Amino acid sequence: AQTVTQSQPEMSVQEAETVTLSCTYDTSESDYYLFWYKQPPSRQMILVIRQEAYKQQNATENRFSVNFQKAAKSFSLKISDSQLGDAAMYFCAYKGKTGANNLFFGTGTRLTVIP
Amino acid sequence: EPEVTQTPSHQVTQMGQEVILRCVPISNHLYFYWYRQILGQKVEFLVSFYNNEISEKSEIFDDQFSVERPDGSNFTLKIRSTKLEDSAMYFCASSAGGLGKNIQYFGAGTRLSVL
Repeated sequence: AQTVTQSQPEMSVQEAETVTLSCTYDTSESDYYLFWYKQPPSRQMILVIRQEAYKQQNATENRFSVNFQKAAKSFSLKISDSQLGDAAMYFCAYKGKTGANNLFFGTGTRLTVIP
Repeated sequence: EPEVTQTPSHQVTQMGQEVILRCVPISNHLYFYWYRQILGQKVEFLVSFYNNEISEKSEIFDDQFSVERPDGSNFTLKIRSTKLEDSAMYFCASSAGGLGKNIQYFGAGTRLSVL
């Protein structure tokens, strides 16, 4: 079964600085999707960024980028120039390309941004 | 921007009572999901729904649970006889057809408290 592990329950970053959130996963599939979702307090989970496993190039979305290491099964999220609005719970998630359509989530990392 | 809406935001019920959690997915989406998150634990998949029937379900989704799309816009999760361990945050999600099914959009969740 697929498992997703986020080893950092909490992280903090100074405003304008850079922070990296870690995620590892386990799968026997060769092609799949990886996602980072952001959940602000009492708000819905918003997709931040996604990566397709067959693409070697790391995905970027403005200040958000990933470091995807397929062999190591690692998928970290880097947030550059952190802003107060980045404070949220961040979830890493996995979805296989074939078979079941559901997401497998990690336990989340709570990010605090210090002014 | 279209979003998934869930009502109520918080539901309190007595053990043994039936509850219905409601979701309005994004209007042109074809796939619908329920997930839950027990406090301090991972977000877990419950069920997916496509073409008016359940397409996948997890071990958690036993006979006490049912889903329905009664009117082409709402997507409901019913728990027939709630137990204390059903207390959790319940998230609804939807995704589009084709390649769009790989991106799930989430609601803000319903917190269910079973007393």
